[in-house]
Amino acid sequence: AQSVTQPDARVTVSEGASLQLRCKYSYFGTPYLFWYVQYPRQGLQLLLKYYPGDPVVQGVNGFEAEFSKSNSSFHLRKASVHWSDWAVYFCAVFNTGNYKYVFGAGTRLKVIA
Amino acid sequence: NSKVIQTPRYLVKGQGQKAKMRCIPEKGHPVVFWYQQNKNNEFKFLINFQNQEVLQQIDMTEKRFSAECPSNSPCSLEIQSSEAGDSALYLCASSPNANSDYTFGSGTRLLVI
Repeated sequence: AQSVTQPDARVTVSEGASLQLRCKYSYFGTPYLFWYVQYPRQGLQLLLKYYPGDPVVQGVNGFEAEFSKSNSSFHLRKASVHWSDWAVYFCAVFNTGNYKYVFGAGTRLKVIA
Repeated sequence: NSKVIQTPRYLVKGQGQKAKMRCIPEKGHPVVFWYQQNKNNEFKFLINFQNQEVLQQIDMTEKRFSAECPSNSPCSLEIQSSEAGDSALYLCASSPNANSDYTFGSGTRLLVI
């Protein structure tokens, strides 16, 4: 069965520091992977997406993610975090068989001065 | 600002009352999804449409929800008799085709008291 695991429920980083949010997936076949961000009282906004190809994908606002088939991972990175990045981040895999997303539980990012 | 418009942003209903929310998909997107996001950030697929036809729906949706996507009108999701457990954020998403990435709206937050 498809699944997405985000092992860190909460992450706290200092403004200006680098960031990595972890995502592990389980999917039979070639996955379509996504990172979404959810700001307070908002819906989901797409940060970046992976379709089979270059394993490193660039997203909005300086985010990037790297797909690893061997590790079944799709970690999100940012070189320098800004206070406005304080939000909840969701990793998701899109099941092309039944056209549904499987979401991880989310990682709540807190940015401190 | 999302190109998928959901109304209302907030909805408060008593148990047993009907609760109706609407979604205007992004222009040119014939595929529409509804997801429920609970307070634990768990996402539950509810139903999806392609044009006006239902593609898939879960049992709960079939029994207690009424949903439609008429041509030239907003899509709608209505809970026939609200229960406390229906309190959640309801997210609508649209896509140009079933196999493509989706644009999410800002959601309708339902509170059933």
